[in-house]
Amino acid sequence: DSGVTQTPKHLITATGQRVTLRCSPRSGDLSVYWYQQSLDQGLQFLIQYYNGEERAKGNILERFSAQQFPDLHSELNLSSLELGDSALYFCASSPSPNQPQHFGDGTRLSIL
Amino acid sequence: QQQVKQSPQSLIVQKGGISIINCAYENTAFDYFPWYQQFPGKGPALLIAIRPDVSEKKEGRFTISFNKSAKQFSLHIMDSQPGDSATYFCAASTIFYNQGGKLIFGQGTELSVKP
Repeated sequence: DSGVTQTPKHLITATGQRVTLRCSPRSGDLSVYWYQQSLDQGLQFLIQYYNGEERAKGNILERFSAQQFPDLHSELNLSSLELGDSALYFCASSPSPNQPQHFGDGTRLSIL
Repeated sequence: QQQVKQSPQSLIVQKGGISIINCAYENTAFDYFPWYQQFPGKGPALLIAIRPDVSEKKEGRFTISFNKSAKQFSLHIMDSQPGDSATYFCAASTIFYNQGGKLIFGQGTELSVKP
């Protein structure tokens, strides 16, 4: 158990809808990262937060947004969902940006 | 230049054998190279990591070999066991250089260890 908690584990929804994925980092970790894993693109970095502030952005679509709250949990919001958004979404956390990242078990998003 | 290329895509090894997975990178600013192990239905788990100022790091049956001039690094799993059957990802980052932290992952290697 990495100590990173992601909910829900599975999410099934339809095209055009909006969903929110939640991540609770390991105790004491201030940095949170979101990654997308798909068969064709592999594991891709989406966005990073550190102590509530956005730190780095990767290949994140404009339809996607994220935030980190004062209690350090993070949410990834996906809107106007398309079939191609079906993937595993992982959250990782680390004490600071220059320390190893530990991953949660992900949320599997299926768009019908 | 941000890519990390990993090979082979899949690997079958007999129990007790050595599993070798290779990765190559282009960006010389990368300063941290971790390996992750992922089982079905689980998230990637950090296995072992190396910085470019050392050429080898060993933890138990797992060894990273690093060749800075060739911009290549590899994972060796000694005495491979059926329980090692999983997907392995190499990654690279500039976590010390620019305090960024984002990981660039290879495409993964599916390892199967036959009893």
